[in-house]
Amino acid sequence: AQSVTQPDIHITVSEGASLELRCNYSYGATPYLFWYVQSPGQGLQLLLKYFSGDTLVQGIKGFEAEFKRSQSSFNLRKPSVHWSDAAEYFCAVMTTDSWGKLQFGAGTQVVVTP
Amino acid sequence: SAVISQKPSRDICQRGTSLTIQCQVDSQVTMMFWYRQQPGQSLTLIATANQGSEATYESGFVIDKFPISRPNLTFSTLTVSNMSPEDSSIYLCSVRTGGNYGYTFGSGTRLTVV
Repeated sequence: AQSVTQPDIHITVSEGASLELRCNYSYGATPYLFWYVQSPGQGLQLLLKYFSGDTLVQGIKGFEAEFKRSQSSFNLRKPSVHWSDAAEYFCAVMTTDSWGKLQFGAGTQVVVTP
Repeated sequence: SAVISQKPSRDICQRGTSLTIQCQVDSQVTMMFWYRQQPGQSLTLIATANQGSEATYESGFVIDKFPISRPNLTFSTLTVSNMSPEDSSIYLCSVRTGGNYGYTFGSGTRLTVV
């Protein structure tokens, strides 16, 4: 069965510093991977997704993620965070059954300090 | 990608009552998904709703507690029945728009049961 793990529950980063959020997946074939952001009181917004092709994926808001098959990882990065990046970030994988359901990781809470 | 209108955005309900949440999509979609996000937790899939057939429920969720309707390709409702404080959560609907568009989420319904 597919699974996705976000090892970091909580990350604190200074404004202007770089950010990396970890995501590991367990899946037998090439997965479909997603990163979503949930700001306080808001719904989920898609940051980026990986289906195939170039392993470095560019997303919105200056985020990027790199798919590494050898490490079963899909880490999210941003070179310089802004205070508005404070939010909950979820990694998700699409399952293989015909319904195409999303399975979410536990999430990483990002706090941005001045 | 699709635009989803979900309502109500929030509600406070008495235990023992029921609440129906509506999701309206601006385009026809085959599958709609209903998720629950308990306080401080990740998203858990409740069920998948396909137009014209009964919803498919995930383990731990039953139709009597979470009846779902899907009368057409742009609309679905989720009812939370006989509510208890443990049902206090954010409920989100989602659609997969096909191709490589990923998944779109409604803004969520924040339910508090008192």
